[in-house]
Amino acid sequence: GDSVTQMEGPVTLSEEAFLTINCTYTATGYPSLFWYVQYPGEGLQLLLKATKADDKGSNKGFEATYRKETTSFHLEKGSVQVSDSAVYFCALSVSNTGNQFYFGTGTSLTVIP
Amino acid sequence: NAGVTQTPKFQVLKTGQSMTLQCAQDMNHNSMYWYRQDPGMGLRLIYYSASEGTTDKGEVPNGYNVSRLNKREFSLRLESAAPSQTSVYFCASSRLQGGETQYFGPGTRLLVL
Repeated sequence: GDSVTQMEGPVTLSEEAFLTINCTYTATGYPSLFWYVQYPGEGLQLLLKATKADDKGSNKGFEATYRKETTSFHLEKGSVQVSDSAVYFCALSVSNTGNQFYFGTGTSLTVIP
Repeated sequence: NAGVTQTPKFQVLKTGQSMTLQCAQDMNHNSMYWYRQDPGMGLRLIYYSASEGTTDKGEVPNGYNVSRLNKREFSLRLESAAPSQTSVYFCASSRLQGGETQYFGPGTRLLVL
């Protein structure tokens, strides 16, 4: 079936460090891939998305490339800030499942000054 | 533009009590969803409504019922609450099916004693 496997946390980084959060997927069709971010006490917000192979999603300095050959959608940021502290969720949606989303378990990131 | 709103924000119930969680969106979206979020489990889909007048079960529907009242509103009902239903509940909506971004509400934190 469709699923997402996400790097477990928690992750603690110093400010300006490089961030990678790994995400791999299994899908029966042609998925769209998403990264959502959840700040404490809030709902999920879309961070970036990619809808086909080799697409790169980017937003707020974060990037992720849809790699069909490795079934991956790793999240990266070159220089993290304290304000990036949050939980990050990788998700996929396959169009023939009525836009059901399958979420990873989330990766908690803490950035220390 | 409020996006997706949920009420209440927080609720405490005793085992066996019933309650309805309310969700409304003002983005003219066709599809709406209810998720629960539990530690280490990510988000799991309870029910969804692909369009007004239709509802379908998700991954964890047992113990819940839903009503798509109109295009804007999608409610989740717990008929007889159990401690296992202690969770954070998120409502989401999307324009169409098939890889479309889902937009989330702020969540309802439910504690069942």
